Amino acid sequence: AQSVTQLGSHVSVSEGALVLLRCNYSSSVPPYLFWYVQYPNQGLQLLLKYTSAATLVKGINGFEAEFKKSETSFHLTKPSAHMSDAAEYFCAVSEDNQGGKLIFGQGTELSVKP
Amino acid sequence: DGGITQSPKYLFRKEGQNVTLSCEQNLNHDAMYWYRQDPGQGLRLIYYSQIVNDFQKGDIAEGYSVSREKKESFPLTVTSAQKNPTAFYLCASSTTQGARGETQYFGPGTRLLVL
Repeated sequence: AQSVTQLGSHVSVSEGALVLLRCNYSSSVPPYLFWYVQYPNQGLQLLLKYTSAATLVKGINGFEAEFKKSETSFHLTKPSAHMSDAAEYFCAVSEDNQGGKLIFGQGTELSVKP
Repeated sequence: DGGITQSPKYLFRKEGQNVTLSCEQNLNHDAMYWYRQDPGQGLRLIYYSQIVNDFQKGDIAEGYSVSREKKESFPLTVTSAQKNPTAFYLCASSTTQGARGETQYFGPGTRLLVL
């Protein structure tokens, strides 16, 4: 069965610093992987998606993620944090044989200090 | 302007009462989903529907019911059998029924509180 693990429920960075949010997955077939962002009391917005076309995926708001099969990882990065990046971030993987279902990680809350 | 709408934004339930959360999409998507979000637990799938007049249980369906009579609508009823309904409920949709890797698009959510 697929699963997603996000290391660190809370991450705090200073404005302008590198953002690194970690995601490891398990899947018995080549995975489809997603990063979503959620601002307080709002729905989820897609940041980026891996579909095997390229291992480095660029998303919105300057975020990118690199798919590493050997490490079963799909970490999210941004070179320079902005105050507006403060939100909760979710990593998700498509289920192997259940159509469009997604398995979500527990989420990582990102705080950005001025 | 296409999207997913959920209403109400806040909903209060009295003990023993059934309440219904609305989800409507004008994206012409086939598949729709209901998730429950609790702090520190991520999103858990309640029910999903890949086509009109058909739906399947997710991981935590007990105490919930749904219907899918129209393509654009997927209401969720929280029944009195759900003993701990306080949570943030999110509705989502995706384009193609049964396709792996389809992006899910989310509504703004409904927060359910128990009086």
